[in-house]
Amino acid sequence: GAVVSQHPSRVICKSGTSVKIECRSLDFQATTMFWYRQFPKQSLMLMATSNEGSKATYEQGVEKDKFLINHASLTLSTLTVTSAHPEDSSFYICSAFWDRRKAEAFFGQGTRLTVV
Amino acid sequence: AQTVTQSQPEMSVQEAETVTLSCTYDTSESDYYLFWYKQPPSRQMILVIRQEAYKQQNATENRFSVNFQKAAKSFSLKISDSQLGDAAMYFCAYSGGDDKIIFGKGTRLHILP
Repeated sequence: GAVVSQHPSRVICKSGTSVKIECRSLDFQATTMFWYRQFPKQSLMLMATSNEGSKATYEQGVEKDKFLINHASLTLSTLTVTSAHPEDSSFYICSAFWDRRKAEAFFGQGTRLTVV
Repeated sequence: AQTVTQSQPEMSVQEAETVTLSCTYDTSESDYYLFWYKQPPSRQMILVIRQEAYKQQNATENRFSVNFQKAAKSFSLKISDSQLGDAAMYFCAYSGGDDKIIFGKGTRLHILP
């Protein structure tokens, strides 16, 4: 079945550094991927829509210069958290539609980011 | 903007019993999808059931079924014969014309042995 793979599953970085999270559709092409953020015991908050070959669309309140999204191929989207701070610590999840007509989406395993 | 509301932060059910999780949503669109996702402790999102708005028939998947009331904008999930493995966070979600999937705040379901 369709799989979305996210890497790394866990990352710890120092405050002020940048960290990149990858989201890959393993056996299908995804022109659109979505990035979510989930705080402990809370819901998934949509951060941005990643569009292959064009700029990402960010949700209101999400800093595009802080969360850089690149969707350079039909199977890979990356989220880079720049100049990370402890408040950026969170669980980040990506998703992609396998069949947009049926709204069948698959989710990555998530990445737990800890900024120290 | 579309919104999804889950009014039950937590629920408990005895093993083998039936439980219903509530969800309401707001939208001005006529064509959309509704979902229930399960998030176990691993935090992997798992699709439980999907409903297409233009279909009047309620979706069912084995022990899981929905009560879709389009006019009332209500989309509840019924879990029959609850099992210990059903314990998880359950999110109601909406996807419309812009393809975004918007989630409710979730309901944590506890299964009592």
